[in-house]
Parts: sequence; C-alpha cells; structure tokens
Amino acid sequence: EDQVTQSPEALRLQEGESSSLNCSYTVSGLRGLFWYRQDPGKGPEFLFTLYSAGEEKEKERLKATLTKKESFLHITAPKPEDSATYLCAVQAPQAGTALIFGKGTTLSVSS
Amino acid sequence: SQTIHQWPATLVQPVGSPLSLECTVEGTSNPNLYWYRQAAGRGLQLLFYSVGIGQISSEVPQNLSASRPQDRQFILSSKKLLLSDSGFYLCAWSGTDNSPLHFGNGTRLTVT
Repeated sequence: EDQVTQSPEALRLQEGESSSLNCSYTVSGLRGLFWYRQDPGKGPEFLFTLYSAGEEKEKERLKATLTKKESFLHITAPKPEDSATYLCAVQAPQAGTALIFGKGTTLSVSS
Repeated sequence: SQTIHQWPATLVQPVGSPLSLECTVEGTSNPNLYWYRQAAGRGLQLLFYSVGIGQISSEVPQNLSASRPQDRQFILSSKKLLLSDSGFYLCAWSGTDNSPLHFGNGTRLTVT
C-alpha cells in the first residue's frame, strides 16, 4: 500500500535556527512528490513539485530535495511567518492524478 | 488566472440532516476535481475525484456522495449526516497531467 510518512510531527525553532523536515514514501512508480504549506483554517498552498531523485527546488528560505525514498524540506534562517503545517504528498497511480498526503509537520518559529 | 470557490466556510448541522457543499472553479476548462477531508490529527483523506462531467470515483466507502453536474462544479452531499462526518472538507482542482492540486479554503463541518 502506498504510504507517506512525515517527521517530526511538530518542530519548534528559534528565529534564524535552520532545520529540515522529512518525508519518506513508499509508492510504486513515483510520478511526483509535492510539498504544501497549510495555515490554520485554510486550504493547503502549493510550494514545490519534485519528479526525480536528485532534483532540488528553492523558494525564499525553503529548499526541497528528493531521493529515491524520501524528500527533505530545508528551512534556512526561518522567520515567525514561516510558522505553518507543511504537508508532503505523492501522486497515486491507482487514483489518477490524486495525491496521497502525509499527516504533516507543524512548524512553530518564535522570535 | 484560475480560482476555486468553496462554500460555506463553516457549517453546523444536526445528526441525520442532509448536506450539500459546493465547489466551483474559474479560469480553466475540463479540470480534474477532488474532495478531501481533514480530521484532527489525521492527514488529508481523498474522498472523491472526477475527471469529467458525471464521472466520479470514490476512494472510501462512506456516508457521502459526490456529483459533477457541470464541467467546473463539484458537489459533496449526504442524505443523513453522522457525527463521524465532522471535519474540514477541501475541494481541489488540477490539470490532467502531473500538475499540482490547488485547494479552496475549505468548509469546517460540525455535526452535533
């Protein structure tokens, strides 16, 4: 069965303290790995898509990387406004273009 | 640009009452459409997806149904709500390739 596991469940950082979030996946024939940001009471907001091992994408303080079994979301010098839940998802071949999501990592950045 | 509208934002319904949540997409044609549910402490659970008018695939047996009466309209329904139907319901759209899903702002449903 296809699965996505994210760790840690929660992460507290001081402003400027860099760290990484992990997403491990087991899926036959990965067609894409997606990262989203979700603020409380809102729908997820798309951040990145990664398609093949070795690929990297960057956006401001965020950088996503992909290996054959996991993806990392690196946060460099985070600010309080980076506080949110970060969701990882993979495309599920048996459900067309639908995504299977992990439970997310809730990031809190304090000043 | 494409936009997705979902309403209502919040809803409180008694057990046994019917449900209708609506989602519309603007600025694109023939999108793939999805309904997800997010319960506390759980990830997003795919409920239904649709690749065209009248074409609905159900991922989880449940008390809910979905319909797509128009190309850019997706409706989630129930004839009789259960307490376990409470949650945060999200509608999303995507293109027909490996493009990302784009979500609406969700409906918070509380069944009392």
